[in-house]
Amino acid sequence: GENVEQHPSTLSVQEGDSAVIKCTYSDSASNYFPWYKQELGKRPQLIIDIRSNVGEKKDQRIAVTLNKTAKHFSLHITETQPEDSAVYFCAASIYTGTASKLTFGTGTRLQVTL
Amino acid sequence: GAVVSQHPSRVICKSGTSVKIECRSLDFQATTMFWYRQFPKQSLMLMATSNEGSKATYEQGVEKDKFLINHASLTLSTLTVTSAHPEDSSFYICSARDDFGSGTRLTVV
Repeated sequence: GENVEQHPSTLSVQEGDSAVIKCTYSDSASNYFPWYKQELGKRPQLIIDIRSNVGEKKDQRIAVTLNKTAKHFSLHITETQPEDSAVYFCAASIYTGTASKLTFGTGTRLQVTL
Repeated sequence: GAVVSQHPSRVICKSGTSVKIECRSLDFQATTMFWYRQFPKQSLMLMATSNEGSKATYEQGVEKDKFLINHASLTLSTLTVTSAHPEDSSFYICSARDDFGSGTRLTVV
């Protein structure tokens, strides 16, 4: 089955700096890669996703890149703010059009300091 | 976007009792829902895929008789933790269409 690795496990940046989280996956059939933000005790919230037919996607301060050949994808957050502090999870799946069985990475705890 | 509702948000039960958790899709029909389990400071681990009108598909290592899943309608899937024990204490969360319910924190005493 799919195996997703995520690094780093913790990341501390100063407000205004950029943060980068990297993930690798094992199943070349995976074609959908969402990123989730989870605050303590709350549900994961989808912040951005990318499909395998695209190499990069950007939404304001958040961007995701995908390298299918190397089977890795990354989350980039620019101009970080304290409210960006949370745990971020990458995931991989084979998207069927209606449902995705997600395999999650181990998570990255991002701390944005003033 | 999709909206998924999950109840209860917290439950404390005695060891040996059963607990039912409900997951509802509010504005769409979900033929497939997923149940995950998350231990403190850990990632989400898929437990099973809930299929409307048929048996759930369980991941390796998940006891189907322990974690009963019923997906009787297109908007509701339930997870029942049977004969709960302290080691079953965890955060259980469902998803549909890549949106998650609010999760259920189960504490077995």
